[in-house]
Parts: sequence; structure tokens; C-alpha cells
Amino acid sequence: QQQVKQSPQSLIVQKGGISIINCAYENTAFDYFPWYQQFPGKGPALLIAIRPDVSEKKEGRFTISFNKSAKQFSLHIMDSQPGDSATYFCAASRKDTGNQFYFGTGTSLTVIP
Amino acid sequence: GAVVSQHPSWVICKSGTSVKIECRSLDFQATTMFWYRQFPKQSLMLMATSNEGSKATYEQGVEKDKFLINHASLTLSTLTVTSAHPEDSSFYICSASLPKPGSYEQYFGPGTRLTVT
Repeated sequence: QQQVKQSPQSLIVQKGGISIINCAYENTAFDYFPWYQQFPGKGPALLIAIRPDVSEKKEGRFTISFNKSAKQFSLHIMDSQPGDSATYFCAASRKDTGNQFYFGTGTSLTVIP
Repeated sequence: GAVVSQHPSWVICKSGTSVKIECRSLDFQATTMFWYRQFPKQSLMLMATSNEGSKATYEQGVEKDKFLINHASLTLSTLTVTSAHPEDSSFYICSASLPKPGSYEQYFGPGTRLTVT
């Protein structure tokens, strides 16, 4: 059973545009929601993360929006650049499972010049 | 800070042989390390959670006798794929969590591409 559902599977955005990736979860025990960026042949790198006590977190061009009641969170990449082309994974974690991460299925983002 | 390395970055082995993959936390001590497997264009699937000085906890469906995990020190965990077969070919990634109370972050290694011929 997929604990974290992610959409879309792939996304094409023009340079300068906004990329939006959405994730949804069911388990209300999750208390940490990170986003990872992965380039081909490399390990995932932490982009930004949020806890459920805030509704938004911004770091540079990356923003997480969190809707606790809807059990949804999303990643917004402002002013998307070709260098942002990568696969993005959302994840959720809970303390009582030893910080085990449950990953979404990934979104392949392509930013075209 | 929080750098995790893996060695080797890629390995080719013959069917029936064993291969060891090392995961090191370079600038911090990791009491917990995680091993993931990733097939092309798919998500990361947790294989096992490894705690220093104790036996690893394997996820359902992961053969612990085939995927041997040893977390001998606070900076090193190893994954040994025993009697490898072509279907074990995959991208193996480790991660480590900071031993800080209330810390959730996991830092991932660069991955190891295993090809079994």
C-alpha cells in the first residue's frame, strides 16, 4: 500500500515558470515531510522539509505548502531553470517508526529553455 | 556537513558471487543507517534499518540471508549481496540520520549501481 501518493508522474515546464508537485498521505501520525531532488545516477539530496505545525516554508525558489486538514503537501519551484530538471520525491516520516521514510513515487521534472 | 559516501559507485559481478557495498558517514556519527533499493524510474524502497551494534531490521519481503547488513561502527554500515543473481541488479542507496534528538533528517549516499551478469 502506497503510504504517500505523488503526482504528477512527469512534468514539463518552461524556463521561468512555476513547477508544482503534489503529495497526499493518509496516516495522521506522520510528522515530518521532506522533499528530495535526485539527478540520474545520484543519491537523493534533501531540498526542503516541513513539520505539520506550519502551513508554508520557503527556501529560496523552493516552497512547501502544507494542508494538514486535507493531508496534502506540495512543492513549488519558482522561476524554474533547466538545472532544476531532475526527479523529485516527497516523503513522510514518523518518530515512532524510527524515522523510517515513506517515499512518493517520484516526479520527473523537465524544464525547457 | 552531513556527508554520506558509498563505495563502490558501481560494480559488475558474475551470477553466484557476493558483493559488498560500504556506506560511510564522513563528518558525523550515525547511530541509524538505512538501505534502499531503487529500480530505474521508480521510487526508493526501504530494504532495512541498521542500528550500530545491533541486528538490522528488514522490511517485509527482503531476504535477510541474501542481503547481509552489518553496522559495525558509528560511521560504517555494509550491505553484502550474497549469491547475486541478475534480478538483484539495481541501484542501492544508503542513508544516515543525525544522532540529534528531534532530528528527522536523512542524508543519502550517492548510490551504488550493481549489475549482475
